[in-house]
Amino acid sequence: SQQGEEDPQALSIQEGENATMNCSYKTSINNLQWYRQNSGRGLVHLILIRSNEREKHSGRLRVTLDTSKKSSSLLITASRAADTASYFCATDALSGANNLFFGTGTRLTVIP
Amino acid sequence: NAGVMQNPRHLVRRRGQEARLRCSPMKGHSHVYWYRQLPEEGLKFMVYLQKENIIDESGMPKERFSAEFPKEGPSILRIQQVVRGDSAAYFCASSLQQGPAGNTIYFGEGSWLTVV
Repeated sequence: SQQGEEDPQALSIQEGENATMNCSYKTSINNLQWYRQNSGRGLVHLILIRSNEREKHSGRLRVTLDTSKKSSSLLITASRAADTASYFCATDALSGANNLFFGTGTRLTVIP
Repeated sequence: NAGVMQNPRHLVRRRGQEARLRCSPMKGHSHVYWYRQLPEEGLKFMVYLQKENIIDESGMPKERFSAEFPKEGPSILRIQQVVRGDSAAYFCASSLQQGPAGNTIYFGEGSWLTVV
């Protein structure tokens, strides 16, 4: 299975601290995407990083990708209570499959 | 510019009934995907459709589930004779171009099916 795995499963931090979530996957990919899901809501696309990129920034988000280790990390700096959500990484397949493979997510709680 | 629209947001069905979930992709998108999310789990791919064609249904259960994306109107995910195990959130997604490789996949708010 190509399904990714996020680590940790749950993370609780104080507002203002940085939050780091990791994702590992098993097979070669074209891209890796990070999504946020608030409880009972849909997925919001955060960032896409291609296999030939090593780092990408978007606002308070920083994503790294290490294809040799088949891993990615999502860093949220200066966290806010509104960042409380589940975060998922999703990979495609180099073979050209038509779907994304999701991990089980990291549940982030930011305490005000 | 409306995003991916799904309805109903919440649906309750008794065992044995049928559930129909609808999805309108983002404007200009002709590629639609359906995913299922069980409680406390990630999303699992079910089916990928383009207008009037099922491209990849490798994630669809063999029985009771079907999907369509007609020339006019929304994509429909149909579950016949629902069972309790079908209780889940069903997400529709769309993209401008084919497949996830290099393309951002946009998700709807989901349809939460509860089978009682």
